[in-house]
Amino acid sequence: DAGITQSPRHKVTETGTPVTLRCHQTENHRYMYWYRQDPGHGLRLIHYSYGVKDTDKGEVSDGYSVSRSKTEDFLLTLESATSSQTSVYFCAISGTPRDRGEETQYFGPGTRLLVL
Amino acid sequence: GENVEQHPSTLSVQEGDSAVIKCTYSDSASNYFPWYKQELGKGPQLIIDIRSNVGEKKDQRIAVTLNKTAKHFSLHITETQPEDSAVYFCAASRNTNAGKSTFGDGTTLTVKP
Repeated sequence: DAGITQSPRHKVTETGTPVTLRCHQTENHRYMYWYRQDPGHGLRLIHYSYGVKDTDKGEVSDGYSVSRSKTEDFLLTLESATSSQTSVYFCAISGTPRDRGEETQYFGPGTRLLVL
Repeated sequence: GENVEQHPSTLSVQEGDSAVIKCTYSDSASNYFPWYKQELGKGPQLIIDIRSNVGEKKDQRIAVTLNKTAKHFSLHITETQPEDSAVYFCAASRNTNAGKSTFGDGTTLTVKP
């Protein structure tokens, strides 16, 4: 398995509070992503990063911000959490593993967030 | 932007039968088509992918076919086993960057023993 960890794995918070989710990789891959997964919607891209301090928006970026100060860490922040942000959040990385020779995407284990 | 539609949303088969999941995409510039398997409580895991320079790819019991003209691709699982039960997602992207994929909504596959 690719070396991707997410923290926390579960979080319950209240509407209006800030929340930060962390993704950490040990693969030294350039690209990192945050997706959210909701029933009936598959996975939707929130933000992604193509290098340290280089980030861009995905299709559902409103209400979210990201930061990447180190290659291995990509943070997702909900500035003021809302109930519509209750979801499962997945971090992903993409790169070219030695045993494949082609760029591939790997997902972390997910963070389950409940906003009350 | 890209739009990916996946069918069926649920699929139930008997152990040993074959399962087929189909996806269509809208962006003719998409050239990378991965399939992911997601087990309960886990992140999606890549099981097979295909790039637009080939029409078919096989890995043991799993195969993927791509029809670029019709803009659809399919996942075929033969000799299904109970451990194949999971949610399967297709995706499409313009791959210079495998990660900026647009995903289908998923198919829940149940293999009955």
